[in-house]
Amino acid sequence: DTGVSQDPRHKITKRGQNVTFRCDPISEHNRLYWYRQTLGQGPEFLTYFQNEAQLEKSRLLSDRFSAERPKGSFSTLEIQRTEQGDSAMYLCASSSLAEQETQYFGPGTRLLVL
Amino acid sequence: LAKTTQPISMDSYEGQEVNITCSHNNIATNDYITWYQQFPSQGPRFIIQGYKTKVTNEVASLFIPADRKSSTLSLPRVSLSDTAVYYCLVGSYSGGYQKVTFGIGTKLQVIP
Repeated sequence: DTGVSQDPRHKITKRGQNVTFRCDPISEHNRLYWYRQTLGQGPEFLTYFQNEAQLEKSRLLSDRFSAERPKGSFSTLEIQRTEQGDSAMYLCASSSLAEQETQYFGPGTRLLVL
Repeated sequence: LAKTTQPISMDSYEGQEVNITCSHNNIATNDYITWYQQFPSQGPRFIIQGYKTKVTNEVASLFIPADRKSSTLSLPRVSLSDTAVYYCLVGSYSGGYQKVTFGIGTKLQVIP
């Protein structure tokens, strides 16, 4: 299967710790997105990459959040000094130039901050 | 970004056609309408997208009236596996991608 993959699938951490999530998009998809989803809500946009360039960041992405896509392939999302409010599902999606209307989502990383 | 309004939940029996209507009164000229499906503990999955009139694919149909202030996702002959949350999104393409906002979606429960 060559879909979007995310690692880890689950993460439990203590408040104040740093966590990093990884997303591997579909090969040759040059667009990559991060979303956050809390229980009962739809996904909220966090940030968007075109190749290695981070072109858009939501105001939801506080200074404690940072995302990278160093070689235009996989991406990482780091949360520093986690807070209980960061508990959520973090979703990654990718899309291609040819099919830009379709974002392919990964299974997500579920974060629980104790 | 245009705000969308859709029913919070719907029930349907297996084998029936299900129509989920979404209101987007403030839709802009450049906005497209997109629907996603999401199962528990999975990421959303693209279903269909349209701009006006009717679009059909192997999974669903999308009906958009001339004023584009609403749209209806039609799922023919639903099965238990269609139980999911369905999101209606409206957004335009800018900077190379479609800027969209997910609402809370419509939770469809298919009953045997």
